[in-house]
Amino acid sequence: KAGVTQTPRYLIKTRGQQVTLSCSPISGHRSVSWYQQTPGQGLQFLFEYFSETQRNKGNFPGRFSGRQFSNSRSEMNVSTLELGDSALYLCASSLARIDSGNTIYFGEGSWLTVV
Amino acid sequence: QKEVEQDPGPLSVPEGAIVSLNCTYSNSAFQYFMWYRQYSRKGPELLMYTYSSGNKEDGRFTAQVDKSSKYISLFIRDSQPSDSATYLCAMRRSTGFQKLVFGTGTRLLVSP
Repeated sequence: KAGVTQTPRYLIKTRGQQVTLSCSPISGHRSVSWYQQTPGQGLQFLFEYFSETQRNKGNFPGRFSGRQFSNSRSEMNVSTLELGDSALYLCASSLARIDSGNTIYFGEGSWLTVV
Repeated sequence: QKEVEQDPGPLSVPEGAIVSLNCTYSNSAFQYFMWYRQYSRKGPELLMYTYSSGNKEDGRFTAQVDKSSKYISLFIRDSQPSDSATYLCAMRRSTGFQKLVFGTGTRLLVSP
């Protein structure tokens, strides 16, 4: 069974540019979440999507956005990149059953460097 | 104050030692507790998943949750050099939302 797949794995962008990261969840998983990991702040929740709807959002500026498609695949976008956006961006997926008794699996992440 | 506190380490132990990793938290609404292992430049890998208080064992790993003290632990028996990684505790509420709150991670070094 394939895991959570994220593309691209590594990318370098210039300040002011925008970037789009892609995530394919585990087959059958309907919830996709995004996290930012930096040495200083650790892992921080960005947002969660379920059935193409954003259900929860972390404390990040509006430059960070995302969406989910009907096949549960998700993309996140960061506009007007800043140096501080350099981080590992992790996608996670889960079944998100109503009883909440389910586990959350992470992909390998997309390493973003802003120069 | 952070919702989840975790000693960043590094924690250095010899091969074969018993390792104890811990996290404390402040939000009593947390019901689900997880431990992830993260190797350098890799994504977090789920190790243990526990609901509410109690113990759970899986091979060399034992997870403990004490909700009355807001304290969770991960024990690793017979530690191996391949266990050298960063260990992250994570937790979430009992609602359907999937937002995890993470500790900062403890870096573990197991020497041969």
